[in-house]
Amino acid sequence: ETGVTQSPTHLIKTRGQQVTLRCSSQSGHNTVSWYQQALGQGPQFIFQYYREEENGRGNFPPRFSGLQFPNYSSELNVNALELDDSALYLCASSPGQGNEQFFGPGTRLTVL
Amino acid sequence: QQQVKQSPQSLIVQKGGISIINCAYENTAFDYFPWYQQFPGKGPALLIAIRPDVSEKKEGRFTISFNKSAKQFSLHIMDSQPGDSATYFCAARRYSTLTFGKGTMLLVSP
Repeated sequence: ETGVTQSPTHLIKTRGQQVTLRCSSQSGHNTVSWYQQALGQGPQFIFQYYREEENGRGNFPPRFSGLQFPNYSSELNVNALELDDSALYLCASSPGQGNEQFFGPGTRLTVL
Repeated sequence: QQQVKQSPQSLIVQKGGISIINCAYENTAFDYFPWYQQFPGKGPALLIAIRPDVSEKKEGRFTISFNKSAKQFSLHIMDSQPGDSATYFCAARRYSTLTFGKGTMLLVSP
């Protein structure tokens, strides 16, 4: 059974650019959540997707957006990057809402 | 407003000792309290979790103690080993959303 995978592993962008991060959920998992983990901090909830619909959002501006595809993989898009967007972005999948979440290794985004 | 407060920020324990990490929460709507372990360069991995109707849960060397009236819960690592050196996060769940503490960096000295 393959776990949660994320790509790319690392990414460097400049301020104002746009970025797309990708996540493949664990087999059988239809729910994907995205988290932002700043250095030295705990993960912060960005949003969750359940069966291709956004199902809850944290305190993040609209320039953070996402998608979930029919195979339950997901994308996180961030527009107009700011320096403070530099962080580890974590994807977690679960076999339904309210069930245990399994995290991927994350994508390290650096904004210069 | 930080809904889950975690302490200490860092902890050094000798091999064989007991590591204790504490968390406090504010929102009584939380219904599930997991602990995660994170190694450098990796995503968080679930260690152990508890529901608020249980006061203690033990899995191997790891124990969660839960005090619903005080809105506090703690992780105890018995017989701590150098391989336990990692960052530990407590979390609280409402609906499908996890709220994390800021983490505790644990170092177990040989």
